[in-house]
Amino acid sequence: DVKVTQSSRYLVKRTGEKVFLECVQDMDHENMFWYRQDPGLGLRLIYFSYDVKMKEKGDIPEGYSVSREKKERFSLILESASTNQTSMYLCASSSYRDSYEQYFGPGTRLTVT
Amino acid sequence: AQSVAQPEDQVNVAEGNPLTVKCTYSVSGNPYLFWYVQYPNRGLQFLLKYITGDNLVKGSYGFEAEFNKSQTSFHLKKPSALVSDSALYFCAVKSAGNMLTFGGGTRLMVKP
Repeated sequence: DVKVTQSSRYLVKRTGEKVFLECVQDMDHENMFWYRQDPGLGLRLIYFSYDVKMKEKGDIPEGYSVSREKKERFSLILESASTNQTSMYLCASSSYRDSYEQYFGPGTRLTVT
Repeated sequence: AQSVAQPEDQVNVAEGNPLTVKCTYSVSGNPYLFWYVQYPNRGLQFLLKYITGDNLVKGSYGFEAEFNKSQTSFHLKKPSALVSDSALYFCAVKSAGNMLTFGGGTRLMVKP
């Protein structure tokens, strides 16, 4: 069974903390994505990666960074969390072998207080 | 640029009735089209996709979608709705590079 896993389902952090969200896929997919989802705003792409050590900015990269040191792992980093980063964070992966269908993780609901 | 529109924020249907969730797209070239479903506090789950071939695509949980090139539409349908189908539905199209562009989502409410 194909799997995209995320390190936490729920996370509560304080303003100013450094936050790491981890995503792991076991499908040997070359592409990985981080989205945030907010009511009324749909899915917004934060960053994506086509390959190891490669990253591209999405629509809303401000306040975030990413790391992809291994093919299966894509990390999202909030350098200094702020309350406006309270959101649902979704990781996804895809491959040309599956016609770029994206496989999603269960999501991390992050609350910054 | 590629885009996807889901014109209805919410669709209400009675259990047992047919349902349609609308999606229109704009893309250069041949489209790769997808439907996903999201239940509360969950990630998106794949329902079906159109890449090429038959215009009627069958997917998971009894859903199907019809690709209409002339109307640039890819509406999601089900002959008989269940209360458990109540969820948020997203249409998507493959866009530049290896990305998908998602519509804003349509909330489907199926009432008993």
